[in-house]
Amino acid sequence: EADIYQTPRYLVIGTGKKITLECSQTMGHDKMYWYQQDPGMELHLIHYSYGVNSTEKGDLSSESTVSRIRTEHFPLTLESARPSHTSQYLCASSVSGVYNSPLHFGNGTRLTVT
Amino acid sequence: SQQGEEDPQALSIQEGENATMNCSYKTSINNLQWYRQNSGRGLVHLILIRSNEREKHSGRLRVTLDTSKKSSSLLITASRAADTASYFCATDAWGAQKLVFGQGTRLTINP
Repeated sequence: EADIYQTPRYLVIGTGKKITLECSQTMGHDKMYWYQQDPGMELHLIHYSYGVNSTEKGDLSSESTVSRIRTEHFPLTLESARPSHTSQYLCASSVSGVYNSPLHFGNGTRLTVT
Repeated sequence: SQQGEEDPQALSIQEGENATMNCSYKTSINNLQWYRQNSGRGLVHLILIRSNEREKHSGRLRVTLDTSKKSSSLLITASRAADTASYFCATDAWGAQKLVFGQGTRLTINP
């Protein structure tokens, strides 16, 4: 298994709460990603980063924000959680290169907003 | 719209049989990757095939790529119960800086 860690593993919170999903990797990868995945469905890219102080929005519109202050850390924040945010959030990382290298995924955070 | 689409959406076979999953995509690619996802877990990279390659093997896995048809297939030979998972293809389109995943094939191996 890859050295990429996500916490918490499961989270149940009420509507309107602010939450931060943590993601850390120990492989020194420059590129990091956040995907959203509903059970049994495809992955949607919501944020990505090419390195420190670099963040970009992905293909799926999201009300979340990310930061990349350190190479190993890429947290995702929801300022005000809503039931529509209920989903699984997957963090991934990869080495930099001309082409897209294989992604290493964490085990995900399953978020439920009540 | 989604770059990669897997077919079938679900596949159920007996242990020991071979499983074949297909992936179609729409634009020119640098490479195509296959991933496995066990229930409730993250994805695990299986194999990468470059656009100038036609076939690649890794253990019981065989991947083919036909760029003229914009399609790829993943064959798992001599399936085992532990192969039960969802399998996703991901394409790295020319000029894109990210992978795009298909909706996956849910494979069930019956003992």
